[in-house]
Amino acid sequence: GQNIDQPTEMTATEGAIVQINCTYQTSGFNGLFWYQQHAGEAPTFLSYNVLDGLEEKGRFSSFLSRSKGYSYLLLKELQMKDSASYLCAVGVNSGYSTLTFGKGTMLLVSP
Amino acid sequence: ETGVTQSPTHLIKTRGQQVTLRCSSQSGHNTVSWYQQALGQGPQFIFQYYREEENGRGNFPPRFSGLQFPNYSSELNVNALELDDSALYLCASSLQSDTQYFGPGTRLTVL
Repeated sequence: GQNIDQPTEMTATEGAIVQINCTYQTSGFNGLFWYQQHAGEAPTFLSYNVLDGLEEKGRFSSFLSRSKGYSYLLLKELQMKDSASYLCAVGVNSGYSTLTFGKGTMLLVSP
Repeated sequence: ETGVTQSPTHLIKTRGQQVTLRCSSQSGHNTVSWYQQALGQGPQFIFQYYREEENGRGNFPPRFSGLQFPNYSSELNVNALELDDSALYLCASSLQSDTQYFGPGTRLTVL
């Protein structure tokens, strides 16, 4: 089966840097995805890692270590609009490709 | 915006009733996946359709069923609604196993 763990809540200050960690145990690993979800809205795609290392995309970066079953999402220069839930999802290939999500980390950015 | 649309936006039903939710995939995408997201949880995989056939299913009972049409749009049907079916239902479209892009969701309330 799959098991994905991420912190329930985090708080940070506008302009700061925050790192959201995700650990996973899975079979049929087919990549690690991060999605952002504002309250009452659909998840929006942020990043995808399939190889070990850091992927940078503007203020957002994502890191993957497959041997450790570990990923993190790094958000720099935090803005109030970054207050949202951040979902870590493992791509799983078991004859078809789908996503297994963690419960999400609610990030609150304060002034 | 992802180009994935869902209808209706909100729906209220009573226990025992049946419901049909609809999803139009992004242009060029041939795969639709459906997820159920309860409050405070990550999305849970229901099933996936590829080229009009169900090619993968999560841990949901048979009263959850679906269809995919030749234009790759899709329906999710739920029979004999239960209170625990109250959730946000998300569809995601993709080009086979590529990144999934989510629609805005349908909020279902079962009374």
